[in-house]
Amino acid sequence: GAVVSQHPSWVICKSGTSVKIECRSLDFQATTMFWYRQFPKQSLMLMATSNEGSKATYEQGVEKDKFLINHASLTLSTLTVTSAHPEDSSFYICSARVRGADEKLFFGSGTQLSVL
Amino acid sequence: GENVEQHPSTLSVQEGDSAVIKCTYSDSASNYFPWYKQELGKRPQLIIDIRSNVGEKKDQRIAVTLNKTAKHFSLHITETQPEDSAVYFCAAAYFGNEKLTFGTGTRLTIIP
Repeated sequence: GAVVSQHPSWVICKSGTSVKIECRSLDFQATTMFWYRQFPKQSLMLMATSNEGSKATYEQGVEKDKFLINHASLTLSTLTVTSAHPEDSSFYICSARVRGADEKLFFGSGTQLSVL
Repeated sequence: GENVEQHPSTLSVQEGDSAVIKCTYSDSASNYFPWYKQELGKRPQLIIDIRSNVGEKKDQRIAVTLNKTAKHFSLHITETQPEDSAVYFCAAAYFGNEKLTFGTGTRLTIIP
């Protein structure tokens, strides 16, 4: 299947700092990527839709100034958690769509963020 | 918006037996229903999906059935093996929109 690479796989940071997470489509171009967060033993919740060359679309309740998304190329989307706090600690996962007759979504490997 | 409910939340099955996980959705416009398997700390892996123009799809030991009228779909795993132990998520979307709404997950444990 298609490969979506996410980096870093885990990060520990101090409260108040910013953290950037990268999501890359390695063997296809992704005009749209999606960012999810997942708390322990819970489901994946869509945070925002990242569109190449335009502003991201955020889900209700997600602070766009808190979670900055940039989709500057067809293979890279970044999520920056600004001024991170302990409650931002979570598993963040991106996904990208593979276009074609049989469109599917593939997920990155996820980033475990721990804010101290 | 779409709302997806998933049952049961936990399921233990003897190795070799079958496992069934059920999901219901609320938006009749949804027409794409994937199932994902997630092992601890890892990414969700697409295991099977179905579109609303078919009622059933099978891939070896895994099958998915869809009842559009009742707005529910189910995952069936036959001849379960220990490596089937994981958390399984159903999801629903309008194909072309790709905004997946996930179910709450089912933790499947296969008992050797």
